[in-house]
Amino acid sequence: QVQLVQSGAEVKKPGASVKVSCKASGYTFTDYYMHWVRQAPGQGLEWMGWINPNSGDTKYAQNFQGRVTMTRDTSVRTAYMELSSLRSDDTAVYYCAREGGYRATKNFDYWGQGTLVTVSS
Amino acid sequence: QSALTQPRSVSGSPGQSVTISCTGTSSDVGDYNYVSWYQQHPGKAPKLIIYDVSKRPSGVPDRFSGSKSGNTASLTISGLQADDEADFYCCSYAGGHTPYVFGTGTKVTVL
Repeated sequence: QVQLVQSGAEVKKPGASVKVSCKASGYTFTDYYMHWVRQAPGQGLEWMGWINPNSGDTKYAQNFQGRVTMTRDTSVRTAYMELSSLRSDDTAVYYCAREGGYRATKNFDYWGQGTLVTVSS
Repeated sequence: QSALTQPRSVSGSPGQSVTISCTGTSSDVGDYNYVSWYQQHPGKAPKLIIYDVSKRPSGVPDRFSGSKSGNTASLTISGLQADDEADFYCCSYAGGHTPYVFGTGTKVTVL
C-alpha cells in the first residue's frame, strides 16, 4: 500500500533553515509528482510547490520563491523540502502529498502524516 | 492567487444533507475541471474525497458528491453521519505562477 512517512517535529530559531523529508513506499517513486502543503495552527491549507521525482524539476508557489528548495533522492525514494530564513509565521504542519496519476492528476491522493515545524526564539 | 471562498461552517442533523460551496474566479475554478475536495479530521492529514469536480476515489462513499457551475464548485454530503464531522477544503488547479489554490475551509458539524 502507498505510504508517505515524514521526518519528526522540529524546533528552529528565526532566521534558521529546516529540511523535512518524505519517504515513499508502495509505488514507483519516480512515476508521481510530489507536492508540499503547509497548515499553520488553526488555519487552512497552503500549497507550496511540487517536484518531479523523475527529472528533479520543481515549481514553487510565488509566496515561497527564493526561500524554498525541493529535492529528491531516488535511491532512497525520498523527497525533501527545505525552507530558509524562517520566521515565526512559518510555524506550521508541513505535509508531503502525492499527485494522482494517469487520468487522475491535479489532485493529491496520498498524504504524509505531517511534520510540525515550530519557529521560536 | 487568493484563497477560494468557502463558508466558515455548516451543520446538519444525522441523515440530512449539507452542501459546501467553493467560490473562485474565471482563472481557477471557472477555467479548469480540476476541483478536488479534502476531508480533514482533527490532528489528521487531509484525505481526498472528490477529484476532477465530481469523481470519487475508490473507497469513498457515494454520499459524497461534487459539482460545478461557473466559478463555484460544491460538495454535497447526503445521509450525514457522525463521522462526517470534520473540516473540508476545496482545491483548484489555476495554472500560472501558483498553480494550486485551496479554499478557506469549512467546518461541518453534525448536530
